Amino acid sequence: GAGVSQTPSNKVTEKGKYVELRCDPISGHTALYWYRQSLGQGPEFLIYFQGTGAADDSGLPNDRFFAVRPEGSVSTLKIQRTERGDSAVYLCASSLTTAGDGRQFFGPGTRLTVL
Amino acid sequence: AQSVTQLGSHVSVSEGALVLLRCNYSSSVPPYLFWYVQYPNQGLQLLLKYTSAATLVKGINGFEAEFKKSETSFHLTKPSAHMSDAAEYFCAVRRANAGGTSYGKLTFGQGTILTVHP
Repeated sequence: GAGVSQTPSNKVTEKGKYVELRCDPISGHTALYWYRQSLGQGPEFLIYFQGTGAADDSGLPNDRFFAVRPEGSVSTLKIQRTERGDSAVYLCASSLTTAGDGRQFFGPGTRLTVL
Repeated sequence: AQSVTQLGSHVSVSEGALVLLRCNYSSSVPPYLFWYVQYPNQGLQLLLKYTSAATLVKGINGFEAEFKKSETSFHLTKPSAHMSDAAEYFCAVRRANAGGTSYGKLTFGQGTILTVHP
């Protein structure tokens, strides 16, 4: 596709449930990033992949959060036992490479609401 | 460690007036610096970037920013505001040299909402 796509665009769930958020990066981009944007805040880094492996997962808030990118393309962010504090817009970005300025292209985000 | 501070969560200007959005950064290594814009219900869009070439950087839609190392600043300006510039703007920093796991990630400021009055 032309840009980064994320599905679903909106997800409403109940506290304690499990959710999966999907990101389709730009074709050929080797690096993929997840960020979380809470209301009134700037995006906060969660994790990034170089190929299939997580190069930096230092931003994941706790072990309820996990992300995979098994074939080096599509990535899934998984959140177990959701809490109300997890409500936010989850942004995905991809870049051709991390070399140079590694310009990141962002998707429209998934708005997660935990009731 | 890197951090970004955007002074002013809200800026309001009249159409045709100068736009100035402030960004200060701290970084232990030479950074790359970025300005992104976010229109309502849309994804982040890159406005411009500083990557250690020219200190005055020109971006899309008439915006520009100047990297001032002595002031650790990267303020965004536009000479004449348009109604279509109303959006939220984010300054971000990234390590410029490889090494260490923090290389790839962007660190964002809190954002500045720009309102343009007719």
